[in-house]
Amino acid sequence: GAVVSQHPSRVICKSGTSVKIECRSLDFQATTMFWYRQFPKKSLMLMATSNEGSKATYEQGVEKDKFLINHASLTLSTLTVTSAHPEDSSFYICSARDGGPGEYNSPLHFGNGTRLTVT
Amino acid sequence: GDSVTQMEGPVTLSEEAFLTINCTYTATGYPSLFWYVQYPGEGLQLLLKATKADDKGSNKGFEATYRKETTSFHLEKGSVQVSDSAVYFCALSDLNNFNKFYFGSGTKLNVKP
Repeated sequence: GAVVSQHPSRVICKSGTSVKIECRSLDFQATTMFWYRQFPKKSLMLMATSNEGSKATYEQGVEKDKFLINHASLTLSTLTVTSAHPEDSSFYICSARDGGPGEYNSPLHFGNGTRLTVT
Repeated sequence: GDSVTQMEGPVTLSEEAFLTINCTYTATGYPSLFWYVQYPGEGLQLLLKATKADDKGSNKGFEATYRKETTSFHLEKGSVQVSDSAVYFCALSDLNNFNKFYFGSGTKLNVKP
């Protein structure tokens, strides 16, 4: 089955530093990947849609300059949390579809998430 | 707009009890429906899906039937195990906006031995 690998699984950083999270589709190509943020006891909040070879599409209220997304290839998207602050501490999850455009009935496949703690 | 509503948790059951987690949806088009499961500290795993009305998705003893008339996709399992303890998310994907998944708020299931 389709596998999405996310790295690192946990990261602790100091306030003011930047952290990069990688998301890879291991056995399929993903022209589109999605980045979610999950708060404790809350559902998933879509942050942005990462498009291979073009700019990411951010959801309303998500700061583009703080959460930098790059989708350089069909199998890799990265999320960089810049100048991190304690309120950025959260669980970040990436996902991708293995279907092409119009394949709305194909499921999302998720990475195992990254637990970010900013001290 | 599209949305998914799930029953509030947590749901606490004894082992071998019957499970139902309710899910209803609102969609402008003809959505595909999904159930995902999240174990502690992990990402989401696809549990089952149904792509059209009256379809039944099933996996690992879990079942859900796509009911267009009641706009529902309730998750059921006849006999739960301790290992089923997790958070369950109902989700939809709509042809009108295929890039987006709409998730319910999640229902935490605790199964006691």
